[in-house]
Amino acid sequence: GQSLEQPSEVTAVEGAIVQINCTYQTSGFYGLSWYQQHDGGAPTFLSYNALDGLEETGRFSSFLSRSDSYGYLLLQELQMKDSASYFCAVSGGADGLTFGKGTHLIIQP
Amino acid sequence: DTEVTQTPKHLVMGMTNKKSLKCEQHMGHRAMYWYKQKAKKPPELMFVYSYEKLSINESVPSRFSPECPNSSLLNLHLHALQPEDSALYLCASTQGTEAFFGQGTRLTVV
Repeated sequence: GQSLEQPSEVTAVEGAIVQINCTYQTSGFYGLSWYQQHDGGAPTFLSYNALDGLEETGRFSSFLSRSDSYGYLLLQELQMKDSASYFCAVSGGADGLTFGKGTHLIIQP
Repeated sequence: DTEVTQTPKHLVMGMTNKKSLKCEQHMGHRAMYWYKQKAKKPPELMFVYSYEKLSINESVPSRFSPECPNSSLLNLHLHALQPEDSALYLCASTQGTEAFFGQGTRLTVV
């Protein structure tokens, strides 16, 4: 089976930096993805890591350590619009995604 | 066009009704998915279609019946649902590592 662990809730201040961690146990690992979902909205893709290291996309960065079965999403220069749920997910190729339980990010002014 | 379009956006149905959810994408993606999401929970995979063939059925009850008429369309036929089936039903398609999700159909079974 596949399981992913991430914190249920994180609170941060506008303009700050926040890191959301994810550990996983899975077979047939292809890569770790991150998705953002606002209340009432659809999940939207943020990043994907197949290899160890850091991927940077604007204010968002994602890191993966395959040997530690660990990854994180780093959000910089936080804005109020970043308040959302963030899911890490693993995929087995085209076999669909298995999501973590999600981290609810609360941004305070 | 990078959209996955789902209809209807909201659906209320009785336990004896038959209804269908529709999903459409024109990005040429050959893998399409149905997910179910309950409130405050992550999306859960239901079905996977790869090149218009059902490749994965995650032990979903037979009251949910998927159909892929062509490479752009995905349907989910619903029959004799239970109140606990009330949820957001999300369609997605992938090409490579990124999944594109539709806005979902919010289903309420009464």
